[in-house]
Amino acid sequence: QQQVKQSPQSLIVQKGGISIINCAYENTAFDYFPWYQQFPGKGPALLIAIRPDVSEKKEGRFTISFNKSAKQFSLHIMDSQPGDSATYFCAASMGQTGANNLFFGTGTRLTVIP
Amino acid sequence: DAGITQSPRHKVTETGTPVTLRCHQTENHRYMYWYRQDPGHGLRLIHYSYGVKDTDKGEVSDGYSVSRSKTEDFLLTLESATSSQTSVYFCAISGVSNEQFFGPGTRLTVL
Repeated sequence: QQQVKQSPQSLIVQKGGISIINCAYENTAFDYFPWYQQFPGKGPALLIAIRPDVSEKKEGRFTISFNKSAKQFSLHIMDSQPGDSATYFCAASMGQTGANNLFFGTGTRLTVIP
Repeated sequence: DAGITQSPRHKVTETGTPVTLRCHQTENHRYMYWYRQDPGHGLRLIHYSYGVKDTDKGEVSDGYSVSRSKTEDFLLTLESATSSQTSVYFCAISGVSNEQFFGPGTRLTVL
């Protein structure tokens, strides 16, 4: 059973547009929510992460919005560029420190059209 | 890839043969992980280590074993490979924070 549900499976956006990827979870013990970006043939790279004590975190063109009551979080990519074309994974885990099992969504393949 | 190497990068083997994948890190991080990536499943944790000789099971540990005799090396062994273990395997490391950093992956095909 997928602990983190991610949508959409694929997304096509025009250059300069906003890309939005959504994730939902059930386990209220989760307290760490990262997003990873993966290019073909490469390992996932940590993009941005949030903890449930804040509702939004922004780093450059990437923003995470977090809704604790709805148990949902989303990634917004502003001014999307062709170089952003990749697969994006949301994930969740519990525990502030130590070894943590990341539960991943199934991924969203983003294509940004020039 | 955050000072993480994986070997081999590609491997084709036959059903029933043993296979060992190696993860090597130069970051001196305490925690190491093995994940597998399959279409429609994202990444799933196989085993992890919280120190030398200290390991524990993840979500999908059946058919896999691990060993960690040095801080920098974490081995994943498939004792008798099956076609269902065809996948891309990623090693990850983390230190005092929750941030996990992934290696480049090993593509394993079991015929």
